[in-house]
Amino acid sequence: DTAVSQTPKYLVTQMGNDKSIKCEQNLGHDTMYWYKQDSKKFLKIMFSYNNKELIINETVPNRFSPKSPDKAHLNLHINSLELGDSAVYFCASSPRLEPYEQYFGPGTRLTVT
Amino acid sequence: GQQVMQIPQYQHVQEGEDFTTYCNSSTTLSNIQWYKQRPGGHPVFLIQLVKSGEVKKQKRLTFQFGEAKKNSSLHITATQTTDVGTYFCAGRSNFGNEKLTFGTGTRLTIIP
Repeated sequence: DTAVSQTPKYLVTQMGNDKSIKCEQNLGHDTMYWYKQDSKKFLKIMFSYNNKELIINETVPNRFSPKSPDKAHLNLHINSLELGDSAVYFCASSPRLEPYEQYFGPGTRLTVT
Repeated sequence: GQQVMQIPQYQHVQEGEDFTTYCNSSTTLSNIQWYKQRPGGHPVFLIQLVKSGEVKKQKRLTFQFGEAKKNSSLHITATQTTDVGTYFCAGRSNFGNEKLTFGTGTRLTIIP
């Protein structure tokens, strides 16, 4: 039983394309997140949603647009992909906003060529 | 904005040796969490510390939260090959910001 799942696991695409990453959690959590991990392993939060409401929106280009159709899903759409977008993107969830631990998905490795 | 630094960035130890990673925040934290990420894997929650000066143990792992709630450490006694991975601290500022800021991570390699 996968707690937090992401699709696809790998994504290779060309510059300028638009792509989406999907995330689902079956833990019944209220809060979901998107993180970006670069090649140096730095982990930075991008967005967080609580009960489908956007709570945190870090300084992320507006080419990135999260969408939460319901509490269990948080998708990430990226327009006009750039080389610098290459990274591993992790989805995570937590029971509520704080001070709870976060459960991470397996990650999506995005490579932009 | 809040910054959370970890030292060292990399650590190579012989199997059986001890290992410590240190976490320092630019702001006072309401709590601190530790995560472990195996190579090719995803971060996995290890523990949370809330109180000033708190010390918690999990088998060979000892976690400490500083008195001023601005720093923390993770100590592993007698490392094993299964300890390989990157260890991240993550803290929430005391100023009401809901964001969990991850540290820069310490990548541990074990030499068998």
